[in-house]
Amino acid sequence: SQQGEEDPQALSIQEGENATMNCSYKTSINNLQWYRQNSGRGLVHLILIRSNEREKHSGRLRVTLDTSKKSSSLLITASRAADTASYFCATGSGGSYIPTFGRGTSLIVHP
Amino acid sequence: DGGITQSPKYLFRKEGQNVTLSCEQNLNHDAMYWYRQDPGQGLRLIYYSQIVNDFQKGDIAEGYSVSREKKESFPLTVTSAQKNPTAFYLCASSMVGSTDTQYFGPGTRLTVL
Repeated sequence: SQQGEEDPQALSIQEGENATMNCSYKTSINNLQWYRQNSGRGLVHLILIRSNEREKHSGRLRVTLDTSKKSSSLLITASRAADTASYFCATGSGGSYIPTFGRGTSLIVHP
Repeated sequence: DGGITQSPKYLFRKEGQNVTLSCEQNLNHDAMYWYRQDPGQGLRLIYYSQIVNDFQKGDIAEGYSVSREKKESFPLTVTSAQKNPTAFYLCASSMVGSTDTQYFGPGTRLTVL
């Protein structure tokens, strides 16, 4: 079952621009994670934000969480061609330690 | 891709054959998972295991089987009962706890001819 839904499905930008992806979910969560997947490869964990946190930063990444709106956003600042990948949100909820993945946003950064 | 290896990277199978995908981790993680990824559908959970000699069905277990005889290894068998096995298969592992962070292998692309 999928809980997180990313928006937009696809995003195309120029190098140097910022990229913003959103994730909406339906039920209460304990945490929310963002992963990146380069074409034909496995997923790589980027950042985890807990339900009692509102914002986290990691390098050029900024993640926000709004539990009242059941949504999260991932901002990549000053994007690079190497950021071209699919980005997935994954929610952790209830007593389960298994995250539920969304369908992903495909980001293309043109050099 | 961390300390998780999957083999082979590409696998071709004739209809009616069973195939086994390998997954090994050296992260000392208790939990291991198998996901199937199809275009536009994200990741769907096939099976998971929290401890050696125990595993649980995920959302799409029909036509698949697993074993967990060693902590480091969690092979997946795609049986002939799986109607549409062509997909990208991802193995992951994690510590069993509150963080839920998963570490993924590089994947195996299975094509049925």
